[in-house]
Amino acid sequence: DIQMTQSPSTLSASVGDRVTITCRASQSISSWLAWYQQKPGKAPKLLIYKASSLESGVPSRFSGGGSGTEFTLTISSLQPDDFATYYCQQYNSYCGFGQGTKVEIK
Amino acid sequence: QVQLQESGPGLVKTSETLSLTCTVSGVSISNYYWSWIRQPPGKGLEWIGYIYYSGNINYNPSLKSRVTISVDTSKNQFSLKLRSVTAADTAVYYCALDFRGYWYFDLWGRGTLVTVSS
Repeated sequence: DIQMTQSPSTLSASVGDRVTITCRASQSISSWLAWYQQKPGKAPKLLIYKASSLESGVPSRFSGGGSGTEFTLTISSLQPDDFATYYCQQYNSYCGFGQGTKVEIK
Repeated sequence: QVQLQESGPGLVKTSETLSLTCTVSGVSISNYYWSWIRQPPGKGLEWIGYIYYSGNINYNPSLKSRVTISVDTSKNQFSLKLRSVTAADTAVYYCALDFRGYWYFDLWGRGTLVTVSS
């Protein structure tokens, strides 16, 4: 069973800030990692797959990196629409999600 | 435009069976991979299971003994049954589409809240 741990759980930031969220896997998952954005009352939306591939239509200020057990999601310049909760998901062995990181207004 | 819509009872009694259907529009269910995922109120996401139209199915090992996922190609729908429910099964249930078969989720339904109560 692969455990996914995100940090921080909550992040306070301002519009224009560069923001980085970390996701760690309990064992190597190669690059089999996706990132999602979820807003209150809405379904998650795919942002990144295969650790660093940007989903079509997702703004280029979002980027993903890492491999093995440590991964990052970076928002280069935080926009008002980006305040949300972000989840990582491994798909190396079945599927498993991190516990989420809430990005809130500072 | 591809759309997924969950439907089913919003309230299920403890120990009974939760049954949900996902109706797919804009694409044939026969070509892709389909999942159920749930989210308890205020908590994170949990993958339930995965089906390909040909009958290839995978379940979350933690739920496997209670879950059945099936597909109805004639109706372009797939379904979830979760047996012997408890309050811990109260959640928003999402159906989701995986276009490429890599086990991440390109598109999600809007979700439906199912409450388990005696």
